[in-house]
Amino acid sequence: EVQLVESGGGLAQPGGSLRLSCAASGFTFSIYVMTWVRQAPGKGLEWVSGIGGGGSTTYYVDSVKGRFSISRDNSKNTLYLQMNSLRAEDTAVYYCARMDDGGGLAYWGQGTLVTVSS
Amino acid sequence: DIQMTQSPSSLSASVGDRVTITCRASQGIRNDLGWYQQKPGKAPKRLIYAASSLQSGVPSRFSGSGSGTEFTLTISSLQPEDFAIYYCLQHNNYPLTFGGGTKVEIK
Repeated sequence: EVQLVESGGGLAQPGGSLRLSCAASGFTFSIYVMTWVRQAPGKGLEWVSGIGGGGSTTYYVDSVKGRFSISRDNSKNTLYLQMNSLRAEDTAVYYCARMDDGGGLAYWGQGTLVTVSS
Repeated sequence: DIQMTQSPSSLSASVGDRVTITCRASQGIRNDLGWYQQKPGKAPKRLIYAASSLQSGVPSRFSGSGSGTEFTLTISSLQPEDFAIYYCLQHNNYPLTFGGGTKVEIK
């Protein structure tokens, strides 16, 4: 059974940092593109970042470029999102999701809440 | 970036109604589109992939159609458990982009 479990969310001050983790199990982690998607309170879904299976190819939405960094440790079956220079508008539930062979996001974690506030 | 315009943003319907939701892409995306259902406090769940393929385990009252720039999600007979928010997502090009969502409410 595919499982994705996020952790690392919490309260951060504007300008601060957080690192999110997503522990994966039930599939061969290293061969799948993994992504982060966020949802601000009461708002729609926003794709944030993606990373290829080997970790060398990364993608970001413009609003987080230069501030967020996606990475993965295939030996630990874990996906990360390093979030720096946090802003109030980064407040959201962050989901990790697996992209399947045909594209699209078939599997999602339960999400972790990030709140940026002073 | 590819913009996904989803309509309507909300609708009210009764159990048993036929419901149609549309997504329009700002440029052609072949059939690189999925439809997702989200209930309060839960992660999204994929219903349709490749524009028209039904995700395993999803009831057959859900169907998708379209290619290129126009896509449709249809619920043939709305059930009580279908009241939720629905999103389309294009994966033709990065950044991936979602439609704005359609909230399906009880009339």
